[in-house]
Amino acid sequence: SELTQDPAVSVALGQTVRIACQGDSLRTYYASWYQQKPGQAPLLIIDNRNNRPSGIPDRFSGSSSGTTASLTITGALAEDEADYYCFSRDSRGLHLDVVFGGGTKLTVL
Amino acid sequence: EVQLVESGGDLVPPGRSLRLSCAASGFTFDDYAMHWVRQAPGKGLEWVSGISWNSGHIAYADSVKGRFTVSRDNAKNSVFLQMNSLTADDVAFYFCAKDTSAGLYHSGSFDFWGHGTLVAVSS
Repeated sequence: SELTQDPAVSVALGQTVRIACQGDSLRTYYASWYQQKPGQAPLLIIDNRNNRPSGIPDRFSGSSSGTTASLTITGALAEDEADYYCFSRDSRGLHLDVVFGGGTKLTVL
Repeated sequence: EVQLVESGGDLVPPGRSLRLSCAASGFTFDDYAMHWVRQAPGKGLEWVSGISWNSGHIAYADSVKGRFTVSRDNAKNSVFLQMNSLTADDVAFYFCAKDTSAGLYHSGSFDFWGHGTLVAVSS
């Protein structure tokens, strides 16, 4: 299965932005979301139950509807400029399908 | 504090082998599945392989199946990736990541990551 993300999204400082992730497996399995800044390892910001790990600001939230998962940043800050990846695994068949979306580069204007 | 430290990355000619290691600390290692994820320069994340808490379930991406072998040593809190027949397509930073679940077939996230080790393939 595949997860599809828009390659790039921009948001004005302080505004709200939604980053979408589309895939058939999301009808059954929740996505988790990762933030990656240049030169750094990915950071889990929304887990597969749409919860924020400890230390992640509450301006980040996750939701899901049908085959689309969304990451919403409410009141984007300059420090939120980064690449964002969705992730899911599909274990319905004999073959375990583990996949990341292609990533969305977020620019904060 | 959870720490994952990868090692073993190197520059090798095409067709050669490398063995990556990931040393874990700060959590009960044998309670969780572990994964390898790679990122080619300037590209996105690609899941490579995962291994369940007791090595009972192992899975690979199609791109590495038959060439890479994942293993773990719970006594040494370590996970390994044996990479054979390396090609230019394998050039990437390789990250070790901790699952929030014990099994591969359970829903979970990757809650901790190492800083990565670079694998370069060139003649």
